[in-house]
Amino acid sequence: EAEVAQSPRYKITEKSQAVAFWCDPISGHATLYWYRQILGQGPELLVQFQDESVVDDSQLPKDRFSAERLKGVDSTLKIQPAELGDSAMYLCASSLYGVQETQYFGPGTRLLVL
Amino acid sequence: GDSVTQMEGPVTLSEEAFLTINCTYTATGYPSLFWYVQYPGEGLQLLLKATKADDKGSNKGFEATYRKETTSFHLEKGSVQVSDSAVYFCALRYNFNKFYFGSGTKLNVKP
Repeated sequence: EAEVAQSPRYKITEKSQAVAFWCDPISGHATLYWYRQILGQGPELLVQFQDESVVDDSQLPKDRFSAERLKGVDSTLKIQPAELGDSAMYLCASSLYGVQETQYFGPGTRLLVL
Repeated sequence: GDSVTQMEGPVTLSEEAFLTINCTYTATGYPSLFWYVQYPGEGLQLLLKATKADDKGSNKGFEATYRKETTSFHLEKGSVQVSDSAVYFCALRYNFNKFYFGSGTKLNVKP
């Protein structure tokens, strides 16, 4: 069964450093999402792509976060500089466009900022 | 605005007990509703969904009915197992594939 891939699974960094997370959605899925999940809370959408275009980044802290999906397939989420409050699980999900609503989630990247 | 409210956890049950996790929503229009499950150390997995009023979603013995009149989508299972221990998230979809998740309810099932 096809899955959403994410790497790394765990990342420890010091504040003010740069970090990057990678996501490879299920093949053929046009919509890709990045979520942040703080411990004990539900996922919060950071950015949503339709193919290579951003359709929603209203909750993305653009002063330090950036996301790209250059060829409309895999995606990278970057934080620079990282802050202590960025410690969380970063989840990537994908879904088909206009056909199916179900989002399929990757295993996530757990970030710890020291 | 659109939102989802779940009962707070943790919920602790003995094996074979009946489970209910409450979820209510606020939304304009007619959202689709979902339950996701997250096992320790893993990402979210879709458990079940319902796309219109009175639909019943079901999977792995879990079920939930989309109740428009009470704006609810409560999750139920007749007999829980230890392996059902996880965090359960209620979610709604609105406005072109945009999801809003509840805060999650942790379920602990004891043997």
